[in-house]
Amino acid sequence: LAKTTQPISMDSYEGQEVNITCSHNNIATNDYITWYQQFPSQGPRFIIQGYKTKVTNEVASLFIPADRKSSTLSLPRVSLSDTAVYYCLVGDMAANAGKSTFGDGTTLTVKP
Amino acid sequence: GAGVSQSPSNKVTEKGKDVELRCDPISGHTALYWYRQSLGQGLEFLIYFQGNSAPDKSGLPSDRFSAERTGGSVSTLTIQRTQQEDSAVYLCASSLAGGSTGELFFGEGSRLTVL
Repeated sequence: LAKTTQPISMDSYEGQEVNITCSHNNIATNDYITWYQQFPSQGPRFIIQGYKTKVTNEVASLFIPADRKSSTLSLPRVSLSDTAVYYCLVGDMAANAGKSTFGDGTTLTVKP
Repeated sequence: GAGVSQSPSNKVTEKGKDVELRCDPISGHTALYWYRQSLGQGLEFLIYFQGNSAPDKSGLPSDRFSAERTGGSVSTLTIQRTQQEDSAVYLCASSLAGGSTGELFFGEGSRLTVL
């Protein structure tokens, strides 16, 4: 079971780059790492997914070191609307959905 | 609809009553997941469906909880003899193929309050 650990909260200011790290020491070979964003009273929304090295899309980058025991979500130039809870999900959703664990989430607060 | 639809959005019930929560996934999505989120907490896995079968029910907290999926589409989560500790938001998600990768699309959840 790939237990995940994230910081409980982070503060930032508009325009800054934010990096949120998730530790997952027991990650298995077939596990992928996925990050979700959740606003109050809404379901989580997919941000990015990766297996190793670096992945970039239009909203974020995901850095995964060679040992895959951690991953870092990077949000460039955050705005007030990026204030939300960010979850990392580690697992193989087909073979072991029940063991694919969401972290406890990191509450990001972006200040003006 | 375009997204995952859940109903009811809010449900208040009395302890001991049964409740049914419904999830209508995105059309064509074969994989469906139920999660529970207590106030201020992370997501707790309940059950996973691939088509109509449930290869992973490991997260159901007790035998009061059951779920089914019919026609590879709509799913119903049933909680019998509700307890106050069942109060939470129940989230449903679907994905296209249920593979190791792939994006989960979540509904907005059903908020259950047991008095």
